[in-house]
Amino acid sequence: GAVVSQHPSRVICKSGTSVKIECRSLDFQATTMFWYRQFPKKSLMLMATSNEGSKATYEQGVEKDKFLINHASLTLSTLTVTSAHPEDSSFYICSARGGLAGSRETQYFGPGTRLLVL
Amino acid sequence: GDSVTQMEGPVTLSEEAFLTINCTYTATGYPSLFWYVQYPGEGLQLLLKATKADDKGSNKGFEATYRKETTSFHLEKGSVQVSDSAVYFCALRMNRDDKIIFGKGTRLHILP
Repeated sequence: GAVVSQHPSRVICKSGTSVKIECRSLDFQATTMFWYRQFPKKSLMLMATSNEGSKATYEQGVEKDKFLINHASLTLSTLTVTSAHPEDSSFYICSARGGLAGSRETQYFGPGTRLLVL
Repeated sequence: GDSVTQMEGPVTLSEEAFLTINCTYTATGYPSLFWYVQYPGEGLQLLLKATKADDKGSNKGFEATYRKETTSFHLEKGSVQVSDSAVYFCALRMNRDDKIIFGKGTRLHILP
């Protein structure tokens, strides 16, 4: 199947700093990418949907100025957590869709990035 | 709103045991239903899916049947292996948009 990578896999930062997480589709062009957040023992919560070359669509309750999403190319989307605070500590997962012969349901997920804000 | 509820884990079984992970959903309309699996250190992978009532999805010995009358999509496998140890997520997607709604996940441990 298609491969989606995330970098870094784990990051620890000080409160107040910004952290950028990259999501890459390695062997297909991702017209749409999704960013999820997962809390311990909770389900994945969709944060935003981004289409290449356009602004991301954020889910209700997600601060777009806090979580900046850029989908500048068909293989790369970035999530920047600005002025991170301890409550932003979480597991962030991206997924990508498009470019293959699969159906709309076919989202390919990255392995996730664990963020710890001290 | 639309939601998915699946059994709490962890579930621990011996190798070759029968597996059932329950999943029920709430949706206005007729969603597509999915099971995703996440092996340690890897991203979620689509395990199987069903797009309409009475459809049965199957893959790698796992099966799930879309039951509209009970709004369920229980995952079953007749004989589990140690390599099936992973976290399993039940999910739905409404046909009106791309959003996938996930359950909380069920961690499965298979003992040799």
